[in-house]
Amino acid sequence: DSGVTQTPKHLITATGQRVTLRCSPRSGDLSVYWYQQSLDQGLQFLIQYYNGEERAKGNILERFSAQQFPDLHSELNLSSLELGDSALYFCASSVSGANTEAFFGQGTRLTVV
Amino acid sequence: DQQVKQNSPSLSVQEGRISILNCDYTNSMFDYFLWYKKYPAEGPTFLISISSIKDKNEDGRFTVFLNKSAKHLSLHIVPSQPGDSAVYFCAASALDSNYQLIWGAGTKLIIKP
Repeated sequence: DSGVTQTPKHLITATGQRVTLRCSPRSGDLSVYWYQQSLDQGLQFLIQYYNGEERAKGNILERFSAQQFPDLHSELNLSSLELGDSALYFCASSVSGANTEAFFGQGTRLTVV
Repeated sequence: DQQVKQNSPSLSVQEGRISILNCDYTNSMFDYFLWYKKYPAEGPTFLISISSIKDKNEDGRFTVFLNKSAKHLSLHIVPSQPGDSAVYFCAASALDSNYQLIWGAGTKLIIKP
């Protein structure tokens, strides 16, 4: 158990809909990262928050947004969903803002039908 | 443009023998490299890392070698055990990109009894 909790584990939704993925980082970790893994692909970095503020942005679509709350949990919002958004979405956390030795949650598998 | 490449999607190795997983990169600014291991239905877990000031780092059965001139790193697992069967991701980061991790597509390692 990495200490990072992601909910829900599975999500099936229709095209055009909006979903929210939730992440609770390890106790004491200030940084939260979101990654997308499509079928047979590597992990694509989406966005990073550090202590409530956006730290870095990767290949995140405009239809996607995220935030980190005062209690340090984070939410990733995906809207106007398309079939191609079906993927595993991972959250990771680390103590510092340096992206090394991050601890990953088990992921949320999103299926858009 | 893939900056981190793992050209072998899968690798099959006999139990007890050496497993060698390879990773190539194109960005000469990368100065920190990590290997993560991923089991099905779980998030990646950190395995071992190496800084560009070193050419070798060892941790038990796992050794990572870095060849900066060739922009190549490899992970050696000796001896290979059944529990090593997993997908292995190589990742790289650079100070000038705020140490955001760039990931390879992964290599599936299968340890045969």
